[in-house]
Amino acid sequence: EAQVTQNPRYLITVTGKKLTVTCSQNMNHEYMSWYRQDPGLGLRQIYYSMNVEVTDKGDVPEGYKVSRKEKRNFPLILESPSPNQTSLYFCASWGFGTEAFFGQGTRLTVV
Amino acid sequence: GENVEQHPSTLSVQEGDSAVIKCTYSDSASNYFPWYKQELGKRPQLIIDIRSNVGEKKDQRIAVTLNKTAKHFSLHITETQPEDSAVYFCAASYGGATNKLIFGTGTLLAVQP
Repeated sequence: EAQVTQNPRYLITVTGKKLTVTCSQNMNHEYMSWYRQDPGLGLRQIYYSMNVEVTDKGDVPEGYKVSRKEKRNFPLILESPSPNQTSLYFCASWGFGTEAFFGQGTRLTVV
Repeated sequence: GENVEQHPSTLSVQEGDSAVIKCTYSDSASNYFPWYKQELGKRPQLIIDIRSNVGEKKDQRIAVTLNKTAKHFSLHITETQPEDSAVYFCAASYGGATNKLIFGTGTLLAVQP
């Protein structure tokens, strides 16, 4: 079954404590991206990857890091989380000119 | 830069009426325009898409139209039902090597029974 898997689904953490949200896809897609969803702001792109070792900043990259060492995985790293990073996060993957598939979402709360 | 504007942000219709959501995009090189539906607490899922070489596409009660000259595309839902209530996102794929996917800000559609 084609899928994008994110973990964890829910996470509560404290300010400054490094965390990683994992994302994995099984469709051999070249493109992967992280979005954050906040009320009234839609899906804003954080980082984007066109292939292994190729990443680019999206609209809201500050405070986030990513890596793409393998084609299937695209983890999102928050080195020092702050309360303004409390949000719903989605990972997505797609092939060239094809449908994007989304992960289940990760609801992050930073206190 | 790359931008997709979506209107309205909220839309309330009576069951059985039609609903129309409109989007505009900034880059004339965009060539792929998907629409996603996000039900409460769930991930966005594709409902219909259109490519730049096609002006209109229909799938049962939903249709999408594309006006490349004006850089507009729209989602049309006919005979709306309560289960159509959700947030709808349009998106534009900026082709070439990057193939970025940029989303609009979403429309909350409420279908009143």
